[in-house]
Amino acid sequence: DGGITQSPKYLFRKEGQNVTLSCEQNLNHDAMYWYRQDPGQGLRLIYYSQIVNDFQKGDIAEGYSVSREKKESFPLTVTSAQKNPTAFYLCASTPTRGLAGTTDTQYFGPGTRLTVL
Amino acid sequence: SQQGEEDPQALSIQEGENATMNCSYKTSINNLQWYRQNSGRGLVHLILIRSNEREKHSGRLRVTLDTSKKSSSLLITASRAADTASYFCATVSYGGSNYKLTFGKGTLLTVNP
Repeated sequence: DGGITQSPKYLFRKEGQNVTLSCEQNLNHDAMYWYRQDPGQGLRLIYYSQIVNDFQKGDIAEGYSVSREKKESFPLTVTSAQKNPTAFYLCASTPTRGLAGTTDTQYFGPGTRLTVL
Repeated sequence: SQQGEEDPQALSIQEGENATMNCSYKTSINNLQWYRQNSGRGLVHLILIRSNEREKHSGRLRVTLDTSKKSSSLLITASRAADTASYFCATVSYGGSNYKLTFGKGTLLTVNP
């Protein structure tokens, strides 16, 4: 059963804590992405990775960190520096690196809802 | 910043009616994509239209693109209660060798049985 999995589905964080959200794909996709979605809003890009051991900041990277040590895994850490982390986090992937000329569409995981207590 | 802006923000119709959602954007694009999101779930890709295409069909979906007006529309014909979801447009552009996909805020469609 191919796809993208995210865990956990719900996550609660105390003030000052770092938490890590998991994203795994078995689609053999090159690129992976993390988005944040707030209520009634669209998706905003946090970080993306086009290949293993490389990643780039998106539009709202402050207070977040990522790693891409394996092709199938792209975990996101929400650090204590992120002042308003309560949101729905979505991971996605694309088959190729998304270079000019491609027409990649994104495959999304089911999301993780993070709440700060 | 949001590249695509959907209109209306919310739409409520009766089963069997057609639903039309619009998307406007600001800068030149390579292609435009529409996604669907059921409440509390991930997004699912629906249809992609390239910048050199004007219209595309997929089942009950019809997408148009007017690059001169920088706008697109998504038409869902003969709607069903199961079509109830949020619909997002996403524009794809390339800066150098980088692919950038930018989502709008979405239209919440409610189809009443």
